[in-house]
Amino acid sequence: GAGVSQSPRYKVAKRGQDVALRCDPISGHVSLFWYQQALGQGPEFLTYFQNEAQLDKSGLPSDRFFAERPEGSVSTLKIQRTQQEDSAVYLCASSLASGTGGDAFFGQGTRLTVV
Amino acid sequence: AQTVTQSQPEMSVQEAETVTLSCTYDTSESNYYLFWYKQPPSRQMILVIRQEAYKQQNATENRFSVNFQKAAKSFSLKISDSQLGDTAMYFCAFMKPWGNQGGKLIFGQGTELSVKP
Repeated sequence: GAGVSQSPRYKVAKRGQDVALRCDPISGHVSLFWYQQALGQGPEFLTYFQNEAQLDKSGLPSDRFFAERPEGSVSTLKIQRTQQEDSAVYLCASSLASGTGGDAFFGQGTRLTVV
Repeated sequence: AQTVTQSQPEMSVQEAETVTLSCTYDTSESNYYLFWYKQPPSRQMILVIRQEAYKQQNATENRFSVNFQKAAKSFSLKISDSQLGDTAMYFCAFMKPWGNQGGKLIFGQGTELSVKP
């Protein structure tokens, strides 16, 4: 596609519900990142994939958060048993493997509201 | 651990004037990248400008330029001839080079810039 696509754009979940957020990276981009952006804050790193391999998941806040990229393209961020503190915008970014810095292209994010 | 600090939560500027956004960072790395990103209300992060730490020359992209002071760990963004479309949240970000757990961005808390007509 022309850019990074995320769906849904908005998601309202009841506390305790499981949610799945989707990211379609730019075609051919090897690297994929997930970030969490709380209201009024800068994005914070969650996890990183190179192709289908999850090389860094140090930013995942709890074991309720799980990400996958099984075929090295589309990625899904899953949050189990959502809590109010999970309310945030979830941003996905992709980049070419060569990564000379700043090649990351961001999607428009999914705004998750947990009620 | 690296940290990025933006000490100006909000700034405003008159259209056509110049404004400077401040950013400081902390790292023990000698080689790294610094960025300024723009985030309009649409939420999509847009890369404004990039600086490689080993390059002494300050990066410039049209109306946008940086003042990179490596020893002081300072990285400010200057916007010249401000336009209404520059109104957005601006984030300073740090990245370690690839191959060393690099690639992930560490962001500051942002500066909300309003350009007034």
